[in-house]
Amino acid sequence: EVQLVESGGGLVQPGGSLRLSCAASGFTFSSYAMSWVRQAPGKGLEWVSAISGSGGSTYYADSVKGRFTISRDNSKNTLYLQMNSLRAEDTAVYYCATTTVTPDAFDIWGQGTMVTVSS
Amino acid sequence: EIVLTQSPGTLSLSPGERATLSCRASQSVSSSYLAWYQQKPGQAPRLLIYGASSRATGIPDRFSGSGSGTDFTLTISRLEPEDFAVYYCQQYGSSPPIWTFGQGTKVEIK
Repeated sequence: EVQLVESGGGLVQPGGSLRLSCAASGFTFSSYAMSWVRQAPGKGLEWVSAISGSGGSTYYADSVKGRFTISRDNSKNTLYLQMNSLRAEDTAVYYCATTTVTPDAFDIWGQGTMVTVSS
Repeated sequence: EIVLTQSPGTLSLSPGERATLSCRASQSVSSSYLAWYQQKPGQAPRLLIYGASSRATGIPDRFSGSGSGTDFTLTISRLEPEDFAVYYCQQYGSSPPIWTFGQGTKVEIK
């Protein structure tokens, strides 16, 4: 069964850091680019970051550039998102997702992990 | 950066009725890289349509996508009770890769 399982969310103070993980199974992880997509409470979806299958190329939304770092360990079939200098507006459910059919659409999603930035 | 505007914000319909959702882009979407997702409360989004008109695996044929350039449409031919949800369009730009979502359309039971 194809599956993505996120972990690492929680409550963190403004200015703090958190690392999210996404464990993949059921497909050839290293063959596909991976992304993080977030959704603030009651709001829409926002793409955050992406990484190529090899890990050699990374991309970020302007809202997180310089604060978040995406990485992957293909030997562990795991995707990461290191989040530093967190702000209240980073509060959201963070989903990992991938595009296995075409590059334009996320066909596999995790269940999400909640990040709350608050003092 | 391309901005996607979905309309209407909320669509109130009865089961069995036809739903027509619009997604308009501020610039032409390249190669029809336009997708549609369905999201129910507490769940992750589910891919319905990619490439503007191709149904994803397992998606019923009552869902169809059309359009090109800047104007795209998701049509649900006959609403089933499980179709009441929020729908998002999303476009992809390849250089550099970036994915942009619309603000969503809620389809609610009338």
